[in-house]
Amino acid sequence: GQQVMQIPQYQHVQEGEDFTTYCNSSTTLSNIQWYKQRPGGHPVFLIQLVKSGEVKKQKRLTFQFGEAKKNSSLHITATQTTDVGTYFCSGDDKIIFGKGTRLHILP
Amino acid sequence: DTGVSQDPRHKITKRGQNVTFRCDPISEHNRLYWYRQTLGQGPEFLTYFQNEAQLEKSRLLSDRFSAERPKGSFSTLEIQRTEQGDSAMYLCASSFPGPTNEKLFFGSGTQLSVL
Repeated sequence: GQQVMQIPQYQHVQEGEDFTTYCNSSTTLSNIQWYKQRPGGHPVFLIQLVKSGEVKKQKRLTFQFGEAKKNSSLHITATQTTDVGTYFCSGDDKIIFGKGTRLHILP
Repeated sequence: DTGVSQDPRHKITKRGQNVTFRCDPISEHNRLYWYRQTLGQGPEFLTYFQNEAQLEKSRLLSDRFSAERPKGSFSTLEIQRTEQGDSAMYLCASSFPGPTNEKLFFGSGTQLSVL
């Protein structure tokens, strides 16, 4: 069955540093979604990527879908304390979520 | 506020008891999902409805778990004969299928503690 792996599991960065998390699927995806979950909160939708090689930006966040549509990345430029949380990717049927990357910001 | 409501927010029960959770999705959303999440893990899929039809159920899900969505609106998730391993956050999410952007809206969840 489909599996989605995320790396790293944890990331500690100094405020202002960049951060990247990666999502790798065992199968080709028709699309991929990214969610953010703040500590004590619930997942909140960030973006969906559909096209091979697609790149989308949301302010300091850059999302990329691989050419083979089997991997994706989320890059945050100049992290802020508001970026703290766990970032999850999800395969195209919403059934499989990665285990997430937990981002800690050191002031 | 995402618009998806879950009740109760917290439930403490003794092992062996039955519990039922309710989810009210966003009104125009015809898809409804149930997930379970434990600390440090991603949401684990349990089951999914389109309108009142239960279209998929996790093969890993014990037959102690059952879900309904009788009128295609709210949904209930029942766990019979609860076990300590059932302790988790139970999340409900809804969506409206679209051609390019079917995003999930999650509720705040029901935190279950089985003693």
